[in-house]
Amino acid sequence: DTGVSQDPRHKITKRGQNVTFRCDPISEHNRLYWYRQTLGQGPEFLTYFQNEAQLEKSRLLSNRFSAERPKGSFSTLEIQRTEQGDSAMYLCASSLGQNTNTGELFFGEGSRLTVL
Amino acid sequence: AQSVTQLGSHVSVSEGALVLLRCNYSSSVPPYLFWYVQYPNQGLQLLLKYTSAATLVKGINGFEAEFKKSETSFHLTKPSAHMSDAAEYFCAVKPNRGSTLGRLYFGRGTQLTVWP
Repeated sequence: DTGVSQDPRHKITKRGQNVTFRCDPISEHNRLYWYRQTLGQGPEFLTYFQNEAQLEKSRLLSNRFSAERPKGSFSTLEIQRTEQGDSAMYLCASSLGQNTNTGELFFGEGSRLTVL
Repeated sequence: AQSVTQLGSHVSVSEGALVLLRCNYSSSVPPYLFWYVQYPNQGLQLLLKYTSAATLVKGINGFEAEFKKSETSFHLTKPSAHMSDAAEYFCAVKPNRGSTLGRLYFGRGTQLTVWP
C-alpha cells in the first residue's frame, strides 16, 4: 500500500496524559497537512509542512499541540496534557507540489483519539 | 472569511433514485472547489474537483457537479444511486488560487443513505 498511513488508528487515554500520532505520507509528496475532525463536523485545518518546514499553523493548534517533520518525510503530532475536548479524529494528508495548486490532498485513514 | 455550507446533514434516497447533495460557498473570487467522499473506516477520497475549466465536472463512480458562479453553488449529483454510494460527502474550497498552500476549508458533511 503506497497511500498515506497513520499510526495508531485508535488511542484511548486518560485526561492529562500525552499522546503522539505518526503520519507517513506518500513517498514523493513534499507537502503534509494535519486536520482534525470532530463528530458532525468537517475536517478543520491544523497545520501544514512543506518538506521539513512548518509553514502554517491554525489558531486551533494550542500550545499543547506540537507537530514536527524532522527529515521532510514522516510527521508526528503530539498533544500534551490531553483534555476531553481533544477527543477527535486526527487526519493526515499529503500532496505533491504541483497538485497543491489545485488543492488535491490525499488523506490517511485517521487516528481516533478518545480522552477519558 | 471563507465558508462552505452543505445544506442537509443527512440525505436518504432509494436505490436508483437521483442523488443531489448541495454545497454553497462564500468567496469574492471563484475558488477551486472539491467534493470528497468518506466511506466508513476509510480516509477521505477525492470525488471530483473544479479548477476553472469546464463548469460541469465529472468525477468517479458516476458523480458530477456543476459550478454556478451566479448562485455560488457546486452541487453534487448522480442520476441513479447505488447501495455502494452510502457514505459521507464533504464539499471543500481552496479560496486563494494564487496561493501554493493547499489549505482546504470543508463543509460539515452530508451523510448519504441509500435504501434498497
